[in-house]
Amino acid sequence: AQSVTQLDSHVSVSEGTPVLLRCNYSSSYSPSLFWYVQHPNKGLQLLLKYTSAATLVKGINGFEAEFKKSETSFHLTKPSAHMSDAAEYFCVVSDPYNNNDMRFGAGTRLTVKP
Amino acid sequence: DSGVTQTPKHLITATGQRVTLRCSPRSGDLSVYWYQQSLDQGLQFLIQYYNGEERAKGNILERFSAQQFPDLHSELNLSSLELGDSALYFCASSNRLARDEQFFGPGTRLTVL
Repeated sequence: AQSVTQLDSHVSVSEGTPVLLRCNYSSSYSPSLFWYVQHPNKGLQLLLKYTSAATLVKGINGFEAEFKKSETSFHLTKPSAHMSDAAEYFCVVSDPYNNNDMRFGAGTRLTVKP
Repeated sequence: DSGVTQTPKHLITATGQRVTLRCSPRSGDLSVYWYQQSLDQGLQFLIQYYNGEERAKGNILERFSAQQFPDLHSELNLSSLELGDSALYFCASSNRLARDEQFFGPGTRLTVL
C-alpha cells in the first residue's frame, strides 16, 4: 500500500527566506506525486506534479520539488518565501494503476513572518 | 478556478437530518471523488465514481451514499447526521487517464448543530 509522511506539521519562516517542506513516500509502484496548497477556507490547488519524467519539477508561484527515489522523498522548496505563501500544504502519492487512488499526507502548515 | 463546482457553499442543519451535496466535474472529466476534511481526521477519501459507476470506496460511513448521474454530476447524501459529521466536503474530478491529477472544487462546509 502506498502512503506519504509529511515530516513537519508546522513550518515557520521569515519573508524572503527559503522554504523547505519535507515529504517521504512509500509506494510499491512507480508513483505519481503531487503537492497541493490550501489557503484558509479554500479548496486545494495543485502546485506541481511528478509523473516519472524529469526528477526536478517546477510548479506555480516559484515552488519546485525534487523526486529522489533513493531517499523516497519529494520535498517542496521555494527560494524566497512571500507572505501569500502562508497556507496548508499537502503531499500526495497516487497509484495511477489503481483508479488514481490518492493518499494525502497530514499536511504542513506554513507560516510566513514579516 | 479549477472548473469543479460545488453547491451549496455552506450548509447548517440539525442532528438526525439528511442533506445532499452536489458536485459538477470539469468538462470532460469522467471521474468524481468525494473527500471529507475535518480538524481531527484530516483529509479523508470517501468514494469515487467513474462514468456513473462506483469504482473505489474509502472511509465512507454507511449513513453516507453517493451517485453519479448520466450528465456526470455527482451527489453525496449524508443522513442521520451527527455532530461529528461537521466538516468540509470536497469534490474532485479527473480524466482518470494514468497519472492525471485531481482537480478540487471549493468545498461545502457542513455544520451540524
